[in-house]
Amino acid sequence: QSALTQPASVSGSPGQSITISCTGTSSDIGGYNYVSWYQQYPGKAPKLMIYDVSSRPSGVSNRFSGSKSGNTASLTISGLQAEDEADYYCGSSTSTSALIFGGGTKLTVL
Amino acid sequence: EVQLLESGGGLVQPGGSLRLSCAASGFIFSSYAMTWVRQAPGKGLEWVSSISGSGDKTDYADAVKGRIIMSRDNSKNTLHLQMNSLRAEDTAVYYCAKDFWLRDEPSRFFDIWGQGTMVTVSS
Repeated sequence: QSALTQPASVSGSPGQSITISCTGTSSDIGGYNYVSWYQQYPGKAPKLMIYDVSSRPSGVSNRFSGSKSGNTASLTISGLQAEDEADYYCGSSTSTSALIFGGGTKLTVL
Repeated sequence: EVQLLESGGGLVQPGGSLRLSCAASGFIFSSYAMTWVRQAPGKGLEWVSSISGSGDKTDYADAVKGRIIMSRDNSKNTLHLQMNSLRAEDTAVYYCAKDFWLRDEPSRFFDIWGQGTMVTVSS
């Protein structure tokens, strides 16, 4: 199964809001509400930021929010901060009980 | 403190085998499904396999099915990944990850990750 489609890069200035899209198919994102988002700093393990499309684990800033429309999920970061500069990956369960990730998006805080 | 520590990575020739381990601490290991995720150098995340908390059920990505066996020893709080018939495209950092939900079946959400162990397949 092909990876989910994410933009390679996005950028924004401190204080602004940015949105990262993640496009799949009806066999993954469109068919299930099991979408997740991970933040990863270079050389570090990923960190869970969003699960079940829009839920945040305890300790994750409410500046991070998730949503879904059809086959596309989105991660929005509001009030952008320098520490948000990282790679972001979306993930989704699939109709074959697999898990697929997006190719990743590099967020640059200008 | 909840912790995962992978080991067993290294350099192996194409066609060779390697066994990765992941030692868990700080939580009731048998109550959580576990997963292996890999990341090739400079590339994105790729799900490899998951196992239920009891160890009764495993799922594998198509890319590794038939070549990799995931298992767990709940008495020793340890996860294993037996990798056979290794290929160059298996070169990656391999992470073990703890399931977010307290349940036997994998949820595909991971709240705790190890630091990763590097596997290099090359002649």
